[in-house]
Amino acid sequence: EVQLVESGGGLVQPGRSLRLSCAASGFTFDDYAMHWVRQAPGKGLEWVSGISWNSGSIGYADSVKGRFTISRDNAKNSLYLQMNSLRAEDTALYYCAKDMGQWLVGTFDYWGQGTLVTVSS
Amino acid sequence: DIQMTQSPSSLSASVGDRVTITCQASQDISNYLNWYQQKPGKAPKLLIYDASNLETGVPSRFSGSGSGTDFTFTISSLQPEDIATYYCQQYDNLQGTFGQGTKVEIK
Repeated sequence: EVQLVESGGGLVQPGRSLRLSCAASGFTFDDYAMHWVRQAPGKGLEWVSGISWNSGSIGYADSVKGRFTISRDNAKNSLYLQMNSLRAEDTALYYCAKDMGQWLVGTFDYWGQGTLVTVSS
Repeated sequence: DIQMTQSPSSLSASVGDRVTITCQASQDISNYLNWYQQKPGKAPKLLIYDASNLETGVPSRFSGSGSGTDFTFTISSLQPEDIATYYCQQYDNLQGTFGQGTKVEIK
């Protein structure tokens, strides 16, 4: 059974940093691209970032480019999102999602339950 | 960047009704269009990928069609368990975009 478990969320002040993690199990992690998708309270879904199976291809939404960094450790079956210079508008539930393909196909066939990030002073 | 315009933003229909949601891309995306269902308090679930392919285990009352810039998602006979928000989504050139979502309610 595919499982994606996010962690690392919490309350953080504007301008500070936070690192999210996603632990994957139930599939061959290094065979698939992975993504982060977020959802602000009461709002729709927003794709944040994606990374190919070998970290050779990476993409970011314009809203986070230059502030967020996605990475993965295939030996640990883990996906990460380093978030710097956080803003109030980054407040959201952050989902880890598995891609259907090795490269950034952009079809998310499994999702975690999310970790909540709240940016507030 | 490619923008996705989804309509309507909400709808109310009776059990057994046919429900249709549309999604329009700001430029040609071929058939690279997916549909997701999100129930309250839950993670999204993939229903349709590549415009018309039904994900494994998804009931056949769900379907999708279209190519280029215009896409349609249909529930052939609305069931009480279909109450949810539905999103279209595209991915192109290392950027992903979701539609605004359509909240489906029972009349």
